[in-house]
Amino acid sequence: DSGVTQTPKHLITATGQRVTLRCSPRSGDLSVYWYQQSLDQGLQFLIQYYNGEERAKGNILERFSAQQFPDLHSELNLSSLELGDSALYFCASTPRTSGSGYNEQFFGPGTRLTVL
Amino acid sequence: GEDVEQSLFLSVREGDSSVINCTYTDSSSTYLYWYKQEPGAGLQLLTYIFSNMDMKQDQRLTVLLNKKDKHLSLRIADTQTGDSAIYFCAEKPGGSYIPTFGRGTSLIVHP
Repeated sequence: DSGVTQTPKHLITATGQRVTLRCSPRSGDLSVYWYQQSLDQGLQFLIQYYNGEERAKGNILERFSAQQFPDLHSELNLSSLELGDSALYFCASTPRTSGSGYNEQFFGPGTRLTVL
Repeated sequence: GEDVEQSLFLSVREGDSSVINCTYTDSSSTYLYWYKQEPGAGLQLLTYIFSNMDMKQDQRLTVLLNKKDKHLSLRIADTQTGDSAIYFCAEKPGGSYIPTFGRGTSLIVHP
């Protein structure tokens, strides 16, 4: 158990809908990262938050957005869903955002999103 | 640009050694990692190596780094069925805190 929790575990929805995925980082970790894992794209970095502020953006679509709340949990919002958005979405946390140190990422178990 | 490549599948017999290879492109990478993903779970850090090292050993795991060729390998000695998982290579470029992951190598261990 990494200490990172994600809800829900599974989500099935229809095209055009909007969903919200939730992540609670490890106790004390300030930095949260979101990843999308699909068969054809592998593990893609989406976005990072540190202590409530956006720090880095990766391959995140405009239809997707995220935020980190004062209690440090984070939500990833996916809207106007398409079939191709079906994937595993992982959240990871680290204690800080610094580039120094080996900066191990602790991953949650993921949310499997299926868009029908 | 940043790119991490690894083969998609590796099949070995139980008790043999497994070697998973990875190439990366960013010469400024400070740390290189191996993460393991078991079925239905998130990724978990298995081991890492700092870029000024060329080898790191941790029990059954040996990591070799060839900086000149930008090649990283993970050797698992005496591979067990419990080692069946997807293994991700990742690099952390200098000055960045976002690792770049490869697509993962599925290791299948058969009796």
